[in-house]
Amino acid sequence: KQEVTQIPAALSVPEGENLVLNCSFTDSAIYNLQWFRQDPGKGLTSLLLIQSSQREQTSGRLNASLDKSSGRSTLYIAASQPGDSATYLCAVMNSNSGYALNFGKGTSLLVTP
Amino acid sequence: DAGVTQSPTHLIKTRGQQVTLRCSPKSGHDTVSWYQQALGQGPQFIFQYYEEEERQRGNFPDRFSGHQFPNYSSELNVNALLLGDSALYLCASSLVPQGAEQYFGPGTRLTVT
Repeated sequence: KQEVTQIPAALSVPEGENLVLNCSFTDSAIYNLQWFRQDPGKGLTSLLLIQSSQREQTSGRLNASLDKSSGRSTLYIAASQPGDSATYLCAVMNSNSGYALNFGKGTSLLVTP
Repeated sequence: DAGVTQSPTHLIKTRGQQVTLRCSPKSGHDTVSWYQQALGQGPQFIFQYYEEEERQRGNFPDRFSGHQFPNYSSELNVNALLLGDSALYLCASSLVPQGAEQYFGPGTRLTVT
């Protein structure tokens, strides 16, 4: 059974800092990995999708990397802003067990002005 | 381009009642998945529908059932509601069942009293 862990559970940083969120998974037989953002009480917004054959994806100030062999992904946020405050969720889709996304519990990020 | 829509936004039900939640996928998508997110947790996969059939089911009891219509929209039905069913219910759509980017709706907040 795929287990997804996100560290840290919560993070508070001053505006302008670069930061890294971590995601680890126990089964390396993944189809892809997706990072989401969730504002309080809202749905999920897809940030980046990394296919198993890829090493990283970039979108604006966001960069996600994937090391399938070690079961790790990182989300790098450059020059953080108060508007980045949200919960960030990592989810993996296994290649050998169907169509479900397996989520971590998320990292709650607060960027202070 | 319309994204994933869900209705209603909020719902309050009494223990033992039945509830129906609705989802319209993103334009062009034919696959719909449902997730349950308890407070402070990552979303948990309930089931996925493709070509009007349940393609895969997560670890949820038979009280949870669904349907997909020819226009790809979907319903989630929960019978005999329990207090523990209180959660945010999220619908996700994708272009194909496996491997494609998942797009989530805003969710339906269900409160069972």
